[in-house]
Parts: sequence; structure tokens; C-alpha cells
Amino acid sequence: LAKTTQPISMDSYEGQEVNITCSHNNIATNDYITWYQQFPSQGPRFIIQGYKTKVTNEVASLFIPADRKSSTLSLPRVSLSDTAVYYCLVGDPDSGSARQLTFGSGTQLTVLP
Amino acid sequence: KAGVTQTPRYLIKTRGQQVTLSCSPISGHRSVSWYQQTPGQGLQFLFEYFSETQRNKGNFPGRFSGRQFSNSRSEMNVSTLELGDSALYLCASSLGQGYHEQYFGPGTRLTVT
Repeated sequence: LAKTTQPISMDSYEGQEVNITCSHNNIATNDYITWYQQFPSQGPRFIIQGYKTKVTNEVASLFIPADRKSSTLSLPRVSLSDTAVYYCLVGDPDSGSARQLTFGSGTQLTVLP
Repeated sequence: KAGVTQTPRYLIKTRGQQVTLSCSPISGHRSVSWYQQTPGQGLQFLFEYFSETQRNKGNFPGRFSGRQFSNSRSEMNVSTLELGDSALYLCASSLGQGYHEQYFGPGTRLTVT
């Protein structure tokens, strides 16, 4: 699976938009980009997945430039409850030999009042 | 629809003992993966089962084993427990092979004394 690099931590204030960037320079043709959110002592929660350009759901948006060597998770108008660790994963979800998920160290987002 | 359930939620064992953890995937999901999460190592993949067959295995010793039943429920077993096995063990299920979207359970917190 492609190695990913994310900021270790970020702070934001309630109501602001937060953008978390993930670098994945050696992303492969069949790789997708997936983001998970994890609260303390809970399992990760799927947020969004994309392959290219932009994907949006009710929770977040994912922006992927044309070269796909990075991606940005955008959380609109964060609240205190968005304080969590956010993980970026890159890999081929259909690959029989690489279906295991390798989580990086993630980004600790702290939303301040 | 009920989420992924894991039992027990908390467990305390002594070095040298063995332990069995259980995971019930979301109804209709056929793939179950197991992960170990520790503060030092982060989230690490243990193994994945699909249709009662182990599809992938992470870099863990043979003391860690698992199986999946015909109803997709899965168990993992750790024999000869070591202090370093203390961790949060997470189970995740997905509809089919691949990890387009995995749903994680709350985890089992194992403490080895």
C-alpha cells in the first residue's frame, strides 16, 4: 500500500472549515484514497473515499488533484464533536493481496470553542 | 441495521493464558478483518476472512489465529499471552472483498497482566 504522510495535529475553532492534506507520492493506478475518523477507545469510522477529482457526501468533501499525489479532506463548519484522529489510507481496495488496511499515524484534529 | 458487535468489550488476562474474541459483522457482510491498536504501533492489520477463508494475514506471530463461520461471524484467538498483547482489538466488516468501505466495531480492550 502507498505510504501516506499527514500532519500530526491541527487545531481549529468551531464553525470553521478544516482541510487536512495527505501526501501519497507513490500512489498506484488502481489505488483509491479513503479517510477514516476515530474517537478515543472506538473503532475507526469511514468518512469518504475517492479516486479522482472531487467527492462529496453529507459529512465531508474529498479533493484529489489530477496527479493524485495528494488529497485533501474538507470538513465544513466543524464542531467540538469533530475532535478526533483522522486517517488517510491509500490502496487498491480490490487487490487480493493488499486488502489489509495500513493506517498511518493520523492527524489529531482538536476543535476549540 | 445493527452495527458490528464485539464481545467481550473488556478483558483482563494473565501472561501465558489464551483468549478468544468474538465479532459479529453487519448483517449481509461477508468480509471480516481484525486489527490490533496500541499507542506505540497504531493500527495494525491482523487478518481478513471472506467466506470462511483467510484471505490476508498481517505480520503477527502464529500465536494469533482466527476463523470465520458460515454465518460470517468471526473469532480470533491469542495463545500464550504476553504483556505486549495488551491492546484494543478491532473487528471490521465489509460487504464483499476489498475495502471500499469497512465498518468497525467498538473493539475489545485486552489487558494482559
